[in-house]
Amino acid sequence: AQSVTQLGSHVSVSEGALVLLRCNYSSSVPPYLFWYVQYPNQGLQLLLKYTTGATLVKGINGFEAEFKKSETSFHLTKPSAHMSDAAEYFCAVIQNSGNTPLVFGKGTRLSVIA
Amino acid sequence: DAMVIQNPRYQVTQFGKPVTLSCSQTLNHNVMYWYQQKSSQAPKLLFHYYDKDFNNEADTPDNFQSRRPNTSFCFLDIRSPGLGDAAMYLCATSSGGLHPTDTQYFGPGTRLTVL
Repeated sequence: AQSVTQLGSHVSVSEGALVLLRCNYSSSVPPYLFWYVQYPNQGLQLLLKYTTGATLVKGINGFEAEFKKSETSFHLTKPSAHMSDAAEYFCAVIQNSGNTPLVFGKGTRLSVIA
Repeated sequence: DAMVIQNPRYQVTQFGKPVTLSCSQTLNHNVMYWYQQKSSQAPKLLFHYYDKDFNNEADTPDNFQSRRPNTSFCFLDIRSPGLGDAAMYLCATSSGGLHPTDTQYFGPGTRLTVL
């Protein structure tokens, strides 16, 4: 069964600084990987996803993530944090075969300090 | 704009009093999901519909039921809410069947309070 580990339940960065949110996955078969963002009292919005092909994936709002099979990682980055990036971020994994549900990590809350 | 709508956004109920949460979509997606998200936790899938086929997760309590009368609407019924059922309930949809790459589109959620 697949699983996701997000390192750090809370990350705090200064405005303009690099954002790095870590995600490691466990899957017995090649996975599909997703990053979702959740603003307070709202649903989840897809930031980006990796399925096949290029391992560096660009998403919305200037975010990108790189799939590294050797490290079983899919870390989310943004070169320069903005105040509006403050939110909860969830990494998720799904197997690329069969009828299996999307499995979410526990989430990382990003705070941006002015 | 095509979207996923959840009503109400905030619901307060009493311990043991049945409650129904509503989800509608204008995306014409054939798959609809219900998730439960407790405070500071990840969303947990309760069940999903693939068209009219209902799929229950193994650990979803019997207290939770769902109805999907048509493509656009899906309801979550909690027959006897307990204090532990207080959570955000998220509805999501996806198209193209259950292909893993299908993006799930989430509604804004309904926050349920049980008194």
